[in-house]
Amino acid sequence: QQQVKQSPQSLIVQKGGISIINCAYENTAFDYFPWYQQFPGKGPALLIAIRPDVSEKKEGRFTISFNKSAKQFSLHIMDSQPGDSATYFCAASMNTGNQFYFGTGTSLTVIP
Amino acid sequence: DAGITQSPRHKVTETGTPVTLRCHQTENHRYMYWYRQDPGHGLRLIHYSYGVKDTDKGEVSDGYSVSRSKTEDFLLTLESATSSQTSVYFCAISESNQSNSPLHFGNGTRLTVT
Repeated sequence: QQQVKQSPQSLIVQKGGISIINCAYENTAFDYFPWYQQFPGKGPALLIAIRPDVSEKKEGRFTISFNKSAKQFSLHIMDSQPGDSATYFCAASMNTGNQFYFGTGTSLTVIP
Repeated sequence: DAGITQSPRHKVTETGTPVTLRCHQTENHRYMYWYRQDPGHGLRLIHYSYGVKDTDKGEVSDGYSVSRSKTEDFLLTLESATSSQTSVYFCAISESNQSNSPLHFGNGTRLTVT
């Protein structure tokens, strides 16, 4: 059973556009929600993360929006660039263990 | 990049043979993890270690064993490889087991079982 559900599976965006990737979870014990970015042939790398006590976190062109009541969070990439083309994973973890639960990934392609 | 080296980077093996993947870190982090990445499944935890000789199972541990005899090395062994274990395997490390302690990943080992 997938603990974190991610959509869409793939996304094509024009350069300069906004990329939006959505994730949903059920376990209310999760208290940390990171996003990872992965380029081909590389391991995932932490991009940005949020705790459920805030509704939004912004770092440069990347923003996480968090809706605690709906148990959903999303990644927004503003002014998308071809260099943003990668696979993005959302994840969730809780403070009682060592496990991160990952979404199934979104392949983002930004067209010049 | 975090100092994580996975070896080999690619391996092709036959069904029924034993395979060992190695993860070496230079960060002196206490926690180390093995994940597998498969299309449609994301990353799933196989085993993790919280110290030398201290390991525990993740959600997809069947068919895998691990060992950690030194802080810097974490080995993943497939005792008898099966085609369902064809995957990309990632090692990760973290400083603590707090939920907000980020994972740092190696660049993966692509394993093909024929």
